[in-house]
Amino acid sequence: DVKVTQSSRYLVKRTGEKVFLECVQDMDHENMFWYRQDPGLGLRLIYFSYDVKMKEKGDIPEGYSVSREKKERFSLILESASTNQTSMYLCASSPGQVVNEQYFGPGTRLTVT
Amino acid sequence: GEDVEQSLFLSVREGDSSVINCTYTDSSSTYLYWYKQEPGAGLQLLTYIFSNMDMKQDQRLTVLLNKKDKHLSLRIADTQTGDSAIYFCAVFSGGGADGLTFGKGTHLIIQP
Repeated sequence: DVKVTQSSRYLVKRTGEKVFLECVQDMDHENMFWYRQDPGLGLRLIYFSYDVKMKEKGDIPEGYSVSREKKERFSLILESASTNQTSMYLCASSPGQVVNEQYFGPGTRLTVT
Repeated sequence: GEDVEQSLFLSVREGDSSVINCTYTDSSSTYLYWYKQEPGAGLQLLTYIFSNMDMKQDQRLTVLLNKKDKHLSLRIADTQTGDSAIYFCAVFSGGGADGLTFGKGTHLIIQP
């Protein structure tokens, strides 16, 4: 089975802190994604990566950056956390083949105070 | 860009069938997915359908696609309390590694 893991289930940070969210997948998938999920807004794509060291902006990249130094790991970075970045963050990966189904991690609930 | 719409809530009695509906705007959508999210968990892929299919059945789940109306539905037969979750419709419209476009999710509430 595909396994996507995220470094933390719950995280509390202060405004202005630098925050790292880590995601690891064990199925040699080409593509990896970071979404945020907010009530009433559904899932919104922040960034995605289709190869090591490659990244593309999604719908809401402002205030975020990403890093993909190894194929299995995709990091989301909040350079200076703000309260409006309090959210559930979901990582996903996909094999990059025709069907493109995505497999999700359990999510990290980030609270910025 | 693609827009995917779903009702926010659906309430059904245990044992009845649940039908969750989704509409999308991009007629070139190629793959359409249903995901389930249980409380406190990530999204779990339930099923998907190719745009050249009208129907797909997998045990208690039936997916119907009306490509002309750009309407997708998920029917859950004999709904159980374990089916209580948020169900997301998602659509993939193009090549490359673009993320899927998700609906806002339908909360399925099961009444005893």
